[in-house]
Amino acid sequence: GAVVSQHPSWVICKSGTSVKIECRSLDFQATTMFWYRQFPKQSLMLMATSNEGSKATYEQGVEKDKFLINHASLTLSTLTVTSAHPEDSSFYICTPRGQGAAEQFFGPGTRLTVL
Amino acid sequence: AQKVTQAQTEISVVEKEDVTLDCVYETRDTTYYLFWYKQPPSGELVFLIRRNSFDEQNEISGRYSWNFQKSTSSFNFTITASQVVDSAVYFCALSELNAGGTSYGKLTFGQGTILTVHP
Repeated sequence: GAVVSQHPSWVICKSGTSVKIECRSLDFQATTMFWYRQFPKQSLMLMATSNEGSKATYEQGVEKDKFLINHASLTLSTLTVTSAHPEDSSFYICTPRGQGAAEQFFGPGTRLTVL
Repeated sequence: AQKVTQAQTEISVVEKEDVTLDCVYETRDTTYYLFWYKQPPSGELVFLIRRNSFDEQNEISGRYSWNFQKSTSSFNFTITASQVVDSAVYFCALSELNAGGTSYGKLTFGQGTILTVHP
């Protein structure tokens, strides 16, 4: 299957700081990137969708000024959680999709804990 | 709007028992994809199967099998002769197709079923 990496795998930060999460597709070109988050003991919810070189489209209830997504290349997308607060503590997962891809592989996830 | 329901929140079985995880979905789309994923304690989602709405054939892969019934909007997953390593959270998901109809769009996940297999 496709290889997707995320960095960091976990991060602990103080309230008010910003955290950047990187997602790389290592063996294919990701024309689209989906970012999901999963709160403890809950399901995955889509946060936003981005196409390479375009602005991201955010799901209802997700603040675009708080969760900045950059998809500047076909192999790298970043999610920056700005001014993080404890309620942003979650598991963030990216899933890149290539042109015409039939499968969907998820990154290993980044566990964010905001103190 | 799309919706996926996994009515079983938790299932507990003893090793070697068969177990079926239920999944019922709702969508207005006539074409769509259905998925099953496994999430072990590490958190990383493991892809198990993708089924498109055109194909109602059941599928078997080793100890895993899937029953897709379009008439009842169900896509159930059975593990035969369960093992301790099968313990995980299992998610059923539904995806629309993209504008060109060639690939999937965003996934709508069910709430997940926690499966615990005891030795």
